[in-house]
Amino acid sequence: QLQLQESGPGLVKPSETLSLTCTVSGGSISSSSYYWGWIRQPPGKGLEWIGSIYYSGSTYYNPSLKSRVTISVDTSKNQFSLKLSSVTAADTAVYYCARLEGDPFGGVDVWGKGTTVTVSS
Amino acid sequence: QSALTQPPSVSGSPGQSVTISCTGTSSDVGSYNRVSWYQQPPGTAPKLMIYEVSNRPSGVPDRFSGSKSGNTASLTISGLQAEDEADYYCSSYTSSSTSFGTGTKVTVL
Repeated sequence: QLQLQESGPGLVKPSETLSLTCTVSGGSISSSSYYWGWIRQPPGKGLEWIGSIYYSGSTYYNPSLKSRVTISVDTSKNQFSLKLSSVTAADTAVYYCARLEGDPFGGVDVWGKGTTVTVSS
Repeated sequence: QSALTQPPSVSGSPGQSVTISCTGTSSDVGSYNRVSWYQQPPGTAPKLMIYEVSNRPSGVPDRFSGSKSGNTASLTISGLQAEDEADYYCSSYTSSSTSFGTGTKVTVL
């Protein structure tokens, strides 16, 4: 059964870059049927789509975050990663990695458990 | 892009039906059949309940159904059960991105 696991620092200082990695187990990230993405949820608030990537490296970003976001993929490690630059307290959230079926904006059929990132000095 | 609009809360007794609305615009819900619904119990990751407006993933009970009319999508839970108590979010494709709804808390009385 496919599983996703987020990893990375739980605390990031304002103005620095948030970096997270998602490790895919139980399946290949190079499957042609799926895209891989990041979604976040600030404390007590709703979900926000950050962006997605295909195993070939094609990326799709939320326009409101596009200037600060980079998503990359490492097929040799079966991982994909998120970098969010110039973070502020507003970027404090639970960050989920996800598998999207069929297209870069499709339904998320597999979610990681989520990792909490706090932006604070 | 703006968040899709959902009612903050809905409630019902066990066995009853409840419907959650998700209102967007002609730039998202109204133009694409790319609406999904997610269930999120407290402290857990969301779970896909409906995709492409009305399709249920394997393992999702047929008590959950989705539909769309104009710029509004809907999720109906029939035969409400205690285990259905959770937050629910819709999402829709929009202009090379995805928007989520504001979220609805379903309470089983």
